[in-house]
Amino acid sequence: NAGVTQTPKFQVLKTGQSMTLQCAQDMNHEYMSWYRQDPGMGLRLIHYSVGAGITDQGEVPNGYNVSRSTTEDFPLRLLSAAPSQTSVYFCASREKWAYEQYFGPGTRLTVT
Amino acid sequence: EDQVTQSPEALRLQEGESSSLNCSYTVSGLRGLFWYRQDPGKGPEFLFTLYSAGEEKEKERLKATLTKKESFLHITAPKPEDSATYLCAVLIKGGGADGLTFGKGTHLIIQP
Repeated sequence: NAGVTQTPKFQVLKTGQSMTLQCAQDMNHEYMSWYRQDPGMGLRLIHYSVGAGITDQGEVPNGYNVSRSTTEDFPLRLLSAAPSQTSVYFCASREKWAYEQYFGPGTRLTVT
Repeated sequence: EDQVTQSPEALRLQEGESSSLNCSYTVSGLRGLFWYRQDPGKGPEFLFTLYSAGEEKEKERLKATLTKKESFLHITAPKPEDSATYLCAVLIKGGGADGLTFGKGTHLIIQP
């Protein structure tokens, strides 16, 4: 199993550009989440999904959209990038009845 | 407000010098407490889940314990390869978001 995979690994955007961060898992996990990690802030939840077709907001959802059309994929869209969205983004997944989450390798995003 | 506080922020030890990392939490209802290890440029790697006070888990040189207010990650006779940032996270009961609330981590350096 590849586990949780994320692409791209690095990305530089200009303010106002849009892009999609990809996340996929091959463990048949129902639950998937997106976090951002900033220095001195710890990991914070952006959006999460409890199954295909079901998504909800986390702690810091503004400026981000998600959708979940399949169990495997959970893309994160930045609609109009801002410098405040410069961060490292992690996708995670877990089984429905087990609470430990498994993280991908991350995407480092810089917005100039 | 739910909070997770880790201490110390950084810790430098000599190889073989045992110590403990602390994670204190104030949450409305604990569903589980999690320890992760994060290496530079990588995603968090799951170590342990603790569900109730008095519970202990062990893995190689690491042992995690839980009380009603805090958790400790004990490191016995550490080696340089144990150098990493250790993250503590909690999952609370009844919360609308299915996400972990993370502490800011303890950056551990083991010197040979």
